[in-house]
Amino acid sequence: AAGVIQSPRHLIKEKRETATLKCYPIPRHDTVYWYQQGPGQDPQFLISFYEKMQSDKGSIPDRFSAQQFSDYHSELNMSSLELGDSALYFCASSKRSNSPLHFGNGTRLTVT
Amino acid sequence: GENVEQHPSTLSVQEGDSAVIKCTYSDSASNYFPWYKQELGKGPQLIIDIRSNVGEKKDQRIAVTLNKTAKHFSLHITETQPEDSAVYFCAASIGGGSTLGRLYFGRGTQLTVWP
Repeated sequence: AAGVIQSPRHLIKEKRETATLKCYPIPRHDTVYWYQQGPGQDPQFLISFYEKMQSDKGSIPDRFSAQQFSDYHSELNMSSLELGDSALYFCASSKRSNSPLHFGNGTRLTVT
Repeated sequence: GENVEQHPSTLSVQEGDSAVIKCTYSDSASNYFPWYKQELGKGPQLIIDIRSNVGEKKDQRIAVTLNKTAKHFSLHITETQPEDSAVYFCAASIGGGSTLGRLYFGRGTQLTVWP
């Protein structure tokens, strides 16, 4: 079965640079969520989109923005990167906002 | 917001034994409780979930129980195998509308199954 696809799998950036993470949801899933997971931590909710509109917002820094496109893929844009942004970033999708979330394998971002 | 506590943080069992992981939640409005298994270098994988109108759910060697009154739920794995070794996360969410997606996770349990 098709899963959530995230790219890139690994990304290394320097402080103050920008990064763009991409997420391709499971086909026919209309809702996308972004989570951040620090080392040894639980995933923390950042933001979600339903039918291309932002549906919920969590602890996402103002330096980050995201959007969902007409083909339902989503991008997380991160600017002015800080060392503390180093983490695993997961995207998850669901068919509608009241069904189980399925996660991708994440993008490991390292800020040096 | 919701606060989910998970215990234990580490759990070691012998192959064939059972493993139990417990979670509590704070918001009585939470009504959806999934469990995820995360292997190294991979994303969380949904293994079982339960909604608040059900007290217990089973899927082969895995079962989840929910006590709404006490606001706690548990994961039970029977006949454990070495491939069950992973980090397990419980989570809670308030269903309905567009808010189901905000999962509040526990801190995770590192399960190790020794052959």
